[in-house]
Amino acid sequence: AQSVAQPEDQVNVAEGNPLTVKCTYSVSGNPYLFWYVQYPNRGLQFLLKYITGDNLVKGSYGFEAEFNKSQTSFHLKKPSALVSDSALYFCAVSGLDSNYQLIWGAGTKLIIKP
Amino acid sequence: DGGITQSPKYLFRKEGQNVTLSCEQNLNHDAMYWYRQDPGQGLRLIYYSQIVNDFQKGDIAEGYSVSREKKESFPLTVTSAQKNPTAFYLCASSIGRYREANTEAFFGQGTRLTVV
Repeated sequence: AQSVAQPEDQVNVAEGNPLTVKCTYSVSGNPYLFWYVQYPNRGLQFLLKYITGDNLVKGSYGFEAEFNKSQTSFHLKKPSALVSDSALYFCAVSGLDSNYQLIWGAGTKLIIKP
Repeated sequence: DGGITQSPKYLFRKEGQNVTLSCEQNLNHDAMYWYRQDPGQGLRLIYYSQIVNDFQKGDIAEGYSVSREKKESFPLTVTSAQKNPTAFYLCASSIGRYREANTEAFFGQGTRLTVV
């Protein structure tokens, strides 16, 4: 069955340090992978997506993500965290299993401390 | 500006009442979605529509109803049959057309519904 796992409920990072928010998935066929960010009491904003091609995808606000097919992962990364990056991050996947509907992870709260 | 607009931002419902949440988009998107978000949980799909006058149940459709009479509008009614309606509701749209699953969704700002 299709699924998305974000194994960490919360990630704490000091400002200026690199950050990683983890995502693993299970879906048949070639997956389409997405990252979204949500600020308090707001809707979700699209950050980046992997469809095909280069495994390293660059997105908004300096974020990037690496698709790893063998590990079925799509971790979100940023070289130097900002306090303003503090938010809730969602990973999502679609594929043949899900009839191409988005399957969402539970979200990871990212806290960047000054 | 193009975008997706939800109203109201906050909504209070008495027990036994039906309420309707509005969602309008001017992005010319075919697909529209309603999600429910509860604290500590991901998004759960209530209903979606790929084309005007057609919609499909999502994972948690019981106690909800929708209509899609116009391409730009996809209102959600929370009926009295929904026993635990207090939640944050998000509307989204995407280019759609069934198999174009590689396109991202655009979200509204959400409606927070509270039962009083």
